[in-house]
Amino acid sequence: DFVMTQSPESLAVSLGERATINCKSSQSVLHSSNNKNYLAWYQQKSGQPPKLLIYWASTRESGVPDRFSGSGSGTDFTLTINSLQAEDVAVYYCQQYFSTPMYTFGQGTKLEIK
Amino acid sequence: DVQLVESGGGLVKPGGSLRLSCTASGFPFNFYNMNWVRQTPEKGLEWVSSISSTSTYIYYADSVKGRFTISRDNAKNSLSLQMESLRAEDTAVYYCVRDREELLDQWGQGVLVTVSS
Repeated sequence: DFVMTQSPESLAVSLGERATINCKSSQSVLHSSNNKNYLAWYQQKSGQPPKLLIYWASTRESGVPDRFSGSGSGTDFTLTINSLQAEDVAVYYCQQYFSTPMYTFGQGTKLEIK
Repeated sequence: DVQLVESGGGLVKPGGSLRLSCTASGFPFNFYNMNWVRQTPEKGLEWVSSISSTSTYIYYADSVKGRFTISRDNAKNSLSLQMESLRAEDTAVYYCVRDREELLDQWGQGVLVTVSS
Protein backbone atom coordinates (compact mmCIF):
# COMPACT_ATOMS: atom_id res chain seq x y z
CA ASP A 1 0.00 0.00 0.00
CA PHE A 2 1.09 3.52 -0.74
CA VAL A 3 1.82 5.86 2.16
CA MET A 4 2.10 9.55 1.36
CA THR A 5 3.99 11.66 3.90
CA GLN A 6 3.94 15.43 3.75
CA SER A 7 6.21 17.92 5.45
CA PRO A 8 5.95 20.19 7.22
CA GLU A 9 2.58 19.68 8.92
CA SER A 10 2.13 23.42 8.99
CA LEU A 11 3.99 26.52 7.91
CA ALA A 12 3.62 30.25 8.09
CA VAL A 13 4.93 32.39 5.26
CA SER A 14 4.88 36.15 4.77
CA LEU A 15 2.82 37.67 2.00
CA GLY A 16 4.82 37.85 -1.21
CA GLU A 17 7.26 35.17 -0.10
CA ARG A 18 7.64 31.58 -1.25
CA ALA A 19 6.01 28.55 0.36
CA THR A 20 7.39 25.06 -0.17
CA ILE A 21 5.59 21.84 0.73
CA ASN A 22 7.10 18.41 0.40
CA CYS A 23 5.54 15.04 -0.26
CA LYS A 24 7.20 11.65 -0.10
CA SER A 25 5.66 8.45 -1.39
CA SER A 26 6.49 5.06 0.09
CA GLN A 27 6.72 3.68 -3.45
CA SER A 28 7.57 5.23 -6.77
CA VAL A 29 4.63 6.78 -8.61
CA LEU A 30 6.59 7.02 -11.86
CA HIS A 31 5.01 4.76 -14.44
CA SER A 32 7.55 3.22 -16.80
CA SER A 33 5.04 2.89 -19.65
CA ASN A 34 4.64 6.65 -20.13
CA ASN A 35 7.33 8.17 -17.88
CA LYS A 36 4.68 10.09 -15.96
CA ASN A 37 4.45 10.64 -12.24
CA TYR A 38 0.96 9.82 -10.94
CA LEU A 39 1.03 12.55 -8.31
CA ALA A 40 -1.51 15.33 -7.76
CA TRP A 41 -1.80 18.29 -5.41
CA TYR A 42 -5.03 19.65 -3.95
CA GLN A 43 -5.91 22.85 -2.13
CA GLN A 44 -8.63 22.89 0.50
CA LYS A 45 -9.82 26.18 1.88
CA SER A 46 -11.80 26.34 5.08
CA GLY A 47 -15.33 25.00 4.66
CA GLN A 48 -14.76 23.94 1.06
CA PRO A 49 -14.01 20.65 -0.69
CA PRO A 50 -10.54 19.96 -2.04
CA LYS A 51 -9.68 21.55 -5.36
CA LEU A 52 -7.35 19.95 -7.90
CA LEU A 53 -4.32 22.17 -8.43
CA ILE A 54 -1.65 20.10 -10.13
CA TYR A 55 -1.45 16.67 -11.74
CA TRP A 56 1.28 14.59 -13.38
CA ALA A 57 3.37 16.16 -10.60
CA SER A 58 3.84 19.42 -12.50
CA THR A 59 0.87 20.17 -14.78
CA ARG A 60 -1.35 22.96 -13.53
CA GLU A 61 -5.09 22.43 -13.72
CA SER A 62 -6.93 24.92 -15.91
CA GLY A 63 -7.42 28.24 -14.12
CA VAL A 64 -4.75 27.68 -11.47
CA PRO A 65 -2.43 30.70 -11.15
CA ASP A 66 1.11 30.19 -12.39
CA ARG A 67 2.52 31.04 -8.96
CA PHE A 68 1.68 27.42 -8.13
CA SER A 69 4.18 24.89 -9.42
CA GLY A 70 4.98 21.25 -8.80
CA SER A 71 8.18 19.34 -9.20
CA GLY A 72 9.80 16.03 -8.39
CA SER A 73 9.83 12.48 -9.63
CA GLY A 74 9.66 8.94 -8.35
CA THR A 75 9.06 9.25 -4.63
CA ASP A 76 9.86 12.87 -3.77
CA PHE A 77 7.76 15.85 -4.77
CA THR A 78 7.41 19.52 -3.99
CA LEU A 79 4.62 22.06 -4.29
CA THR A 80 5.91 25.62 -4.52
CA ILE A 81 3.78 28.71 -4.16
CA ASN A 82 5.62 31.83 -5.26
CA SER A 83 4.63 35.31 -4.16
CA LEU A 84 2.16 34.09 -1.54
CA GLN A 85 -1.24 35.74 -1.59
CA ALA A 86 -3.75 35.96 1.24
CA GLU A 87 -6.16 33.74 -0.70
CA ASP A 88 -3.58 30.92 -0.68
CA VAL A 89 -4.26 30.20 2.99
CA ALA A 90 -5.45 26.60 2.93
CA VAL A 91 -4.53 23.01 3.62
CA TYR A 92 -2.62 21.36 0.80
CA TYR A 93 -2.68 17.64 0.08
CA CYS A 94 -0.64 15.44 -2.19
CA GLN A 95 -2.23 12.31 -3.64
CA GLN A 96 -1.02 9.35 -5.64
CA TYR A 97 -3.16 7.92 -8.43
CA PHE A 98 -0.63 5.29 -9.51
CA SER A 99 -2.79 2.63 -7.88
CA THR A 100 -6.07 3.96 -9.25
CA PRO A 101 -8.73 3.72 -8.02
CA MET A 102 -7.12 3.07 -4.63
CA TYR A 103 -6.14 6.68 -4.24
CA THR A 104 -4.00 7.67 -1.27
CA PHE A 105 -3.64 11.15 0.16
CA GLY A 106 -1.02 12.77 2.31
CA GLN A 107 -2.02 14.00 5.73
CA GLY A 108 -2.10 17.62 4.64
CA THR A 109 -0.01 20.74 5.22
CA LYS A 110 -1.63 23.80 6.71
CA LEU A 111 -0.41 27.05 5.18
CA GLU A 112 -0.89 30.30 7.04
CA ILE A 113 0.25 33.89 6.69
CA LYS A 114 3.08 35.02 8.96
CA ASP B 1 -20.91 24.52 -14.61
CA VAL B 2 -20.24 21.13 -13.09
CA GLN B 3 -22.31 20.52 -9.99
CA LEU B 4 -22.27 17.57 -7.61
CA VAL B 5 -24.79 17.78 -4.80
CA GLU B 6 -24.75 15.21 -2.00
CA SER B 7 -27.66 14.41 0.27
CA GLY B 8 -28.75 11.83 2.81
CA GLY B 9 -26.31 12.45 5.61
CA GLY B 10 -27.25 12.62 9.26
CA LEU B 11 -26.98 11.00 12.66
CA VAL B 12 -27.25 7.22 12.87
CA LYS B 13 -26.62 4.74 15.67
CA PRO B 14 -23.80 2.19 15.49
CA GLY B 15 -24.95 -0.80 13.47
CA GLY B 16 -27.43 1.32 11.57
CA SER B 17 -27.77 2.11 7.89
CA LEU B 18 -27.76 5.21 5.74
CA ARG B 19 -27.98 5.92 2.04
CA LEU B 20 -26.09 8.81 0.48
CA SER B 21 -27.04 10.26 -2.87
CA CYS B 22 -25.28 12.56 -5.28
CA THR B 23 -26.98 14.40 -8.11
CA ALA B 24 -24.75 15.50 -10.96
CA SER B 25 -25.28 18.22 -13.52
CA GLY B 26 -23.32 20.28 -16.02
CA PHE B 27 -21.47 17.39 -17.65
CA PRO B 28 -22.23 14.06 -19.40
CA PHE B 29 -22.52 11.96 -16.25
CA ASN B 30 -22.64 8.67 -18.14
CA PHE B 31 -19.13 9.22 -19.55
CA TYR B 32 -17.36 9.51 -16.20
CA ASN B 33 -16.26 7.14 -13.47
CA MET B 34 -17.33 8.37 -10.05
CA ASN B 35 -16.05 8.06 -6.50
CA TRP B 36 -16.89 8.59 -2.87
CA VAL B 37 -14.13 10.07 -0.72
CA ARG B 38 -14.51 10.80 2.99
CA GLN B 39 -12.71 13.15 5.32
CA THR B 40 -12.18 13.26 9.06
CA PRO B 41 -9.96 15.52 11.16
CA GLU B 42 -8.17 12.43 12.50
CA LYS B 43 -7.56 10.40 9.34
CA GLY B 44 -7.74 13.12 6.70
CA LEU B 45 -8.90 12.25 3.20
CA GLU B 46 -9.74 8.61 2.54
CA TRP B 47 -10.94 7.15 -0.74
CA VAL B 48 -14.00 4.96 -0.12
CA SER B 49 -15.35 3.56 -3.36
CA SER B 50 -15.30 3.88 -7.14
CA ILE B 51 -17.70 2.91 -9.91
CA SER B 52 -17.00 2.95 -13.62
CA SER B 53 -19.19 4.83 -16.09
CA THR B 54 -21.27 1.77 -16.96
CA SER B 55 -21.10 0.20 -13.47
CA THR B 56 -18.95 -2.62 -14.86
CA TYR B 57 -16.12 -2.04 -12.43
CA ILE B 58 -16.66 -1.37 -8.74
CA TYR B 59 -14.01 -1.01 -6.05
CA TYR B 60 -14.03 -0.47 -2.30
CA ALA B 61 -11.53 0.44 0.35
CA ASP B 62 -10.82 -2.47 2.69
CA SER B 63 -12.27 -0.43 5.56
CA VAL B 64 -15.77 -0.49 4.01
CA LYS B 65 -15.76 -3.66 1.90
CA GLY B 66 -18.75 -5.84 2.65
CA ARG B 67 -20.62 -3.00 4.38
CA PHE B 68 -20.94 -0.28 1.72
CA THR B 69 -22.45 -0.56 -1.76
CA ILE B 70 -21.90 1.98 -4.51
CA SER B 71 -24.31 2.30 -7.41
CA ARG B 72 -25.35 4.75 -10.09
CA ASP B 73 -28.31 5.55 -12.31
CA ASN B 74 -27.08 7.21 -15.49
CA ALA B 75 -30.64 8.00 -16.61
CA LYS B 76 -31.06 10.11 -13.47
CA ASN B 77 -27.49 11.45 -13.29
CA SER B 78 -27.22 10.07 -9.80
CA LEU B 79 -24.66 8.26 -7.66
CA SER B 80 -25.46 6.45 -4.42
CA LEU B 81 -23.67 4.92 -1.47
CA GLN B 82 -25.60 2.46 0.67
CA MET B 83 -23.91 2.17 4.05
CA GLU B 84 -24.69 -0.72 6.37
CA SER B 85 -23.38 -1.85 9.77
CA LEU B 86 -22.10 1.64 10.43
CA ARG B 87 -19.37 2.17 12.98
CA ALA B 88 -18.15 5.20 14.88
CA GLU B 89 -15.09 5.31 12.63
CA ASP B 90 -17.35 5.85 9.61
CA THR B 91 -18.16 9.31 10.97
CA ALA B 92 -16.93 11.71 8.32
CA VAL B 93 -17.80 14.20 5.64
CA TYR B 94 -18.52 12.20 2.49
CA TYR B 95 -17.74 13.73 -0.89
CA CYS B 96 -19.06 12.73 -4.29
CA VAL B 97 -16.12 13.09 -6.70
CA ARG B 98 -15.80 12.94 -10.45
CA ASP B 99 -12.98 10.97 -12.02
CA ARG B 100 -11.47 12.64 -15.09
CA GLU B 101 -9.00 10.15 -16.53
CA GLU B 102 -7.96 9.01 -13.02
CA LEU B 103 -7.92 12.55 -11.63
CA LEU B 104 -10.37 13.55 -8.90
CA ASP B 105 -11.20 16.79 -10.64
CA GLN B 106 -14.63 17.84 -9.37
CA TRP B 107 -15.89 17.51 -5.79
CA GLY B 108 -19.26 18.09 -4.23
CA GLN B 109 -19.62 20.18 -1.09
CA GLY B 110 -19.86 17.07 1.04
CA VAL B 111 -22.38 15.62 3.45
CA LEU B 112 -21.79 14.84 7.12
CA VAL B 113 -22.42 11.36 8.46
CA THR B 114 -22.27 10.95 12.23
CA VAL B 115 -22.37 7.50 13.79
CA SER B 116 -23.07 7.77 17.49
CA SER B 117 -25.36 6.34 20.13
